[in-house]
Parts: sequence; structure tokens; C-alpha cells
Amino acid sequence: EAQVTQNPRYLITVTGKKLTVTCSQNMNHEYMSWYRQDPGLGLRQIYYSMNVEVTDKGDVPEGYKVSRKEKRNFPLILESPSPNQTSLYFCASSFRGSGETQYFGPGTRLLVL
Amino acid sequence: QQQVKQSPQSLIVQKGGISIINCAYENTAFDYFPWYQQFPGKGPALLIAIRPDVSEKKEGRFTISFNKSAKQFSLHIMDSQPGDSATYFCAASRAGNNRKLIWGLGTSLAVNP
Repeated sequence: EAQVTQNPRYLITVTGKKLTVTCSQNMNHEYMSWYRQDPGLGLRQIYYSMNVEVTDKGDVPEGYKVSRKEKRNFPLILESPSPNQTSLYFCASSFRGSGETQYFGPGTRLLVL
Repeated sequence: QQQVKQSPQSLIVQKGGISIINCAYENTAFDYFPWYQQFPGKGPALLIAIRPDVSEKKEGRFTISFNKSAKQFSLHIMDSQPGDSATYFCAASRAGNNRKLIWGLGTSLAVNP
């Protein structure tokens, strides 16, 4: 089954404790992206990757890191989480770019205390 | 600066009624206009999309109407059903710039039985 998977689905952590949210897709997509969704603010892009070893900042990259060492995986790293990073996070992938059909993962709900 | 303005923020419709969600954009270079549907606890999924060479696209009960001169596009859900209750996002993109999607802020639709 074609899908985007994210882990964990729910995470509670404390300020400053490094964490990684994994994202994997099995559709051989070149483009992958991370979004955060907050009430009233819609979907905001954090980082995206056009292909392996090619990443770039989205609209709200501060406090986040990403890497793309393999085509299928695109982890999101919070080196020192803060309460304002409490949010619902989505990974998405598409064949080439964000203007094509994007396939979203199920989401990761993060609470930073 | 919100490049894609979506309204209303929330909408309540009776079963069998017509749901209408509107989006307005500013950049005349946009050439791809998708609508995504998001159910609670799930990631967004592409519902229907249109390009500006047509004024209307219909898929089942869902229709996009596109008005290039007014720089507006709308989603119409005919014979709305309780199962249509979800959040709907419009978006727009243009060629180049990795075809970055610009998102509306979303409309929460509730269809009463």
C-alpha cells in the first residue's frame, strides 16, 4: 500500500530534550516536506527536500532541522524543543514538487512542557 | 501577508444542502489550484484540483468553479452529507520556485444530519 508513515504519532516531552520525528514514504517520491498545523494558522511549511541531500527552508524553519540521506526517509529533528513547538506535525511527499498531489502522513501530535 | 484568502472559517450545513467555500488569490502567476480535505485525526488528502484553462471541474458531488478575472475559486459540495464533515483547505501554486503551494487557512465544515 502506498503510504507516508510517521513515528511517533503522539509525543510528550520537556523543554530542551532533543527529539526526532521520523517520516518514511514508499512511493519513490523525490519531494518531501514537513508542515505544522496550528488552530487558526492552517498548514505552515517547515522544511522541504527536492531530492536526496537537497533540503531547504520553508516558512517557519526556526528551531527545526532535517536531513535527507535516503530518498524514502525525511526525519524532523528538534534539537532543543520549546513550548511554542507544541503542534500537530505532518510529513508529506509528492513525485516532484509541492504543486503536484501531495500525500500526507497521519500526523504527529507533539506536546512540549 | 496571506496570498490565498479562504472563507468562511467555519460552515454549518444541513444534510442535502449545498456547501460553498471560497478562496481568493493575488498572484496572477498561479496556475494550479487544489482543494484538500482533512478528517479529524488524519492528514489532508487531495480532493480535487483545477488549472486556469477551464472554468469548472466536477468530480461526483464536488465541483470547483474558477473565475480568472476575479482571481477567485470556490468549492461546491452538492447534496452535502454528514460524512463530508471535515476541514477543507484551498491552495495555489505556480510554475517554478519548486511549485510551492500557498495554503488557505482552512474551513471547518459540519453537516448536520
